Amino acid sequence: NAGVTQTPKFRVLKTGQSMTLLCAQDMNHEYMYWYRQDPGMGLRLIHYSVGEGTTAKGEVPDGYNVSRLKKQNFLLGLESAAPSQTSVYFCASSYTQSKPQHFGDGTRLSIL
Amino acid sequence: SQQGEEDPQALSIQEGENATMNCSYKTSINNLQWYRQNSGRGLVHLILIRSNEREKHSGRLRVTLDTSKKSSSLLITASRAADTASYFCAWGAGNMLTFGGGTRLMVKP
Repeated sequence: NAGVTQTPKFRVLKTGQSMTLLCAQDMNHEYMYWYRQDPGMGLRLIHYSVGEGTTAKGEVPDGYNVSRLKKQNFLLGLESAAPSQTSVYFCASSYTQSKPQHFGDGTRLSIL
Repeated sequence: SQQGEEDPQALSIQEGENATMNCSYKTSINNLQWYRQNSGRGLVHLILIRSNEREKHSGRLRVTLDTSKKSSSLLITASRAADTASYFCAWGAGNMLTFGGGTRLMVKP
């Protein structure tokens, strides 16, 4: 089992460009999450999904969109990247909201 | 933080000593979880304690939860150099987890 896989691992964008981060899990988890982690800080929830075809806003959703067309995949989109979105992005999944979350190794995104 | 915090922010100890990290939160919770993060990696789940539990053990880890004080602590006993990492608490309410700012632990050989 690969667990949670994030692609790409690194990316540099220019302000205004768009991109999509992909998260894939092979554990048949219902719940999936996107977080961002800024230097020296904990994680902040961007968006999450409680099942295929559903999405919901987290703590810091502005500037991001998500889609969960397949149960195993959760996509995070940046439509018009801004320097404030420079961060490390983590995807996670879990069976339910009260079960441990399993994390990918992150995508390091720099926006110039 | 408006939602909670961890202390200390950083902790340096010698191998063999115990390490204690504290977490405070401000909302009602269903459970509280502790995670570990090695440099450049994702978070790894360590232990989950439910809101109706007061103490839980897993190997060298001991977690306590005091819902009346809205606080939790993580104790790592007989620390090893390999325990060097950042440790995060996360409190669960509804469909979401909220993470604290973390404690950076360094264990010197």
